[in-house]
Amino acid sequence: NAGVTQTPKFRILKIGQSMTLQCAQDMNHNYMYWYRQDPGMGLKLIYYSVGAGITDKGEVPNGYNVSRSTTEDFPLRLELAAPSQTSVYFCASSYSMGDNYGYTFGSGTRLTVV
Amino acid sequence: AQSVAQPEDQVNVAEGNPLTVKCTYSVSGNPYLFWYVQYPNRGLQFLLKYITGDNLVKGSYGFEAEFNKSQTSFHLKKPSALVSDSALYFCAVRDIGNTPLVFGKGTRLSVIA
Repeated sequence: NAGVTQTPKFRILKIGQSMTLQCAQDMNHNYMYWYRQDPGMGLKLIYYSVGAGITDKGEVPNGYNVSRSTTEDFPLRLELAAPSQTSVYFCASSYSMGDNYGYTFGSGTRLTVV
Repeated sequence: AQSVAQPEDQVNVAEGNPLTVKCTYSVSGNPYLFWYVQYPNRGLQFLLKYITGDNLVKGSYGFEAEFNKSQTSFHLKKPSALVSDSALYFCAVRDIGNTPLVFGKGTRLSVIA
C-alpha cells in the first residue's frame, strides 16, 4: 500500500544512547517532515525537507539531525538521547507545502528514554 | 508567525447530537486551514481544508468546517455525532509562502452512546 512507513514502532533507549528513526514514502512526494507529539502539546515540527539534499530546522530541532539523500527516505537521528526526547514521533510527506494537498502521516514511533 | 489555538482540551457529546470543535488562528496573510483526526495508536488523517472560496467546507465522514474571517475561526462541525467519531482532532494552519503546517494542541472528542 502506498504511504509513509516508519520504523521502529516502539523503542526504549538509555540516556546517552543514539538511534535513527526511519521514514520512507513511496508517493514521490518532494516534501517531508518530522513532528513530535507530546500530551497536551500537539505536534511540534522538528525538521523538514523540500527535496533531496535540502533540509531545514523546525520549531524544536535541538538534539536531532536529519539527512535527505533520496526522495523516498528521511531518517531522523538522535545522537545523545535525553529523557526530554521521550515522545511519539511522526513522519509526514506531501506533494506541496500545503496549498491544496494534505499531509500523509506515518503511524508513528513511540520512543522512551530512561 | 502563524499560530493556531484549540481552546478546548476535551469535548463530550451524546450520540446523535451535533458537535462542534473550535479552532482560532493567527496569520499575517490569507490562511490555509486544515483539520486532521487521530485515532488511537495511529497517525493523523486529513479531514478537510479551506484554501479559498465557499466559507463552508465539507470533508470526510460527514464533517464540515466553517471559515469565519472576521472572527479568525475555523470550527469543525458535524450535524449528528457517532460513537466512532471519538478521537483526537487537530486544527492546522499555514500562512502564505513556503512554510510547513503549524498544528494546534488537539481536542479530544468523546461521543457517548
